[in-house]
Amino acid sequence: GAGVSQTPSNKVTEKGKYVELRCDPISGHTALYWYRQSLGQGPEFLIYFQGTGAADDSGLPNDRFFAVRPEGSVSTLKIQRTERGDSAVYLCASSPITGEKNTGELFFGEGSRLTVL
Amino acid sequence: AQKITQTQPGMFVQEKEAVTLDCTYDTSDPSYGLFWYKQPSSGEMIFLIYQGSYDQQNATEGRYSLNFQKARKSANLVISASQLGDSAMYFCAMRRSGAGSYQLTFGKGTKLSVIP
Repeated sequence: GAGVSQTPSNKVTEKGKYVELRCDPISGHTALYWYRQSLGQGPEFLIYFQGTGAADDSGLPNDRFFAVRPEGSVSTLKIQRTERGDSAVYLCASSPITGEKNTGELFFGEGSRLTVL
Repeated sequence: AQKITQTQPGMFVQEKEAVTLDCTYDTSDPSYGLFWYKQPSSGEMIFLIYQGSYDQQNATEGRYSLNFQKARKSANLVISASQLGDSAMYFCAMRRSGAGSYQLTFGKGTKLSVIP
């Protein structure tokens, strides 16, 4: 498909477990972003990749959260020792260096819904 | 710090009527961009419209227009001729220019319901 792809679409896990969420951005997009959307809230920034490196990880809530993008394309968000408060929809987005009409528009996936029991 | 406020948790509009979704923002940055995204039940955020802080004219994209009032720090979205498919969550967002310009700050959203 031509859009941003995220897997799994739904993940239910138990408190204390480790989870990985995958994002496959639009081909050719060098910028990749992770956002977290809690119930009733707008998305909140987690981390931004330009190519393979994390240019800004200031939104990661704590050291249980980590993300990688080893080849500058697919990214994985990793959450260790999950807590019930981690339950949310995790959205991935990508963009070219300059967005459509130079707006910096982000192209989002449908998200991965994480539920921690 | 940037902040987006959307004061309408939910809105109803009759099909074919126009509706305005409110958005106010707060920033100390001299240059910034304002966005509206639509989020249907599928969860994907869909870009609707963009307004740059130095743009002289209000942005328009088809049935969407952005009523930008810089002095009031408001960026309301106007949807004309509402359709049933417009029922969704709508988020206003801001992006600063320059350093850190890749981050979007979102409001809490407004749920729009279009009534047949």
